[in-house]
Amino acid sequence: NAGVTQTPKFQVLKTGQSMTLQCAQDMNHEYMSWYRQDPGMGLRLIHYSVGAGITDQGEVPNGYNVSRSTTEDFPLRLLSAAPSQTSVYFCASSYSQGAWNTEAFFGQGTRLTVV
Amino acid sequence: GNSVTQMEGPVTLSEEAFLTINCTYTATGYPSLFWYVQYPGEGLQLLLKATKADDKGSNKGFEATYRKETTSFHLEKGSVQVSDSAVYFCALSIGDTGNQFYFGTGTSLTVIP
Repeated sequence: NAGVTQTPKFQVLKTGQSMTLQCAQDMNHEYMSWYRQDPGMGLRLIHYSVGAGITDQGEVPNGYNVSRSTTEDFPLRLLSAAPSQTSVYFCASSYSQGAWNTEAFFGQGTRLTVV
Repeated sequence: GNSVTQMEGPVTLSEEAFLTINCTYTATGYPSLFWYVQYPGEGLQLLLKATKADDKGSNKGFEATYRKETTSFHLEKGSVQVSDSAVYFCALSIGDTGNQFYFGTGTSLTVIP
């Protein structure tokens, strides 16, 4: 049981390049999310999905696209990388448990540098 | 809206000292509350959680009580160890918003021998 797997772990991009951060989970969780972590700002939600085929914007969605064609996968696309997107990116999955929320399970993160 | 405010760090303590990291929240609904820990170079791991008022979450000697009247979820440990050095995040989630999580800014803890 691998949990939440993110690839790559590290990436350097030039301004204007595009790329896709991969995220896969093997726990059959319905919810998946992408966060970015910046110093002094905690984690901020970029996009999230409540199930296959359904996505929505979080707090900081500009410059990013997502899709959810399967329950397992939730890739994050940077359309045209900018230095402001230099950050650590975390993918998370979770599921509902009746009226209460379970915890989020996190991947190991992708450290992205845009030069 | 929904937000979490936690004590700013960094915090430096001697081994066996008492730890408190304050966390308060605002929420539009009825949240579940969490503490996550992040060790260097790693992702976030759940430390403890509470899903309703007056619940106490506990794990590895850490405790936090869901206080609805003061909208707080302070993290405590009676005797910290060097291995507790990490960044601690307080978080909440609201069930009817796609299970979105809202995080505090994190508190860095260093425990010295």
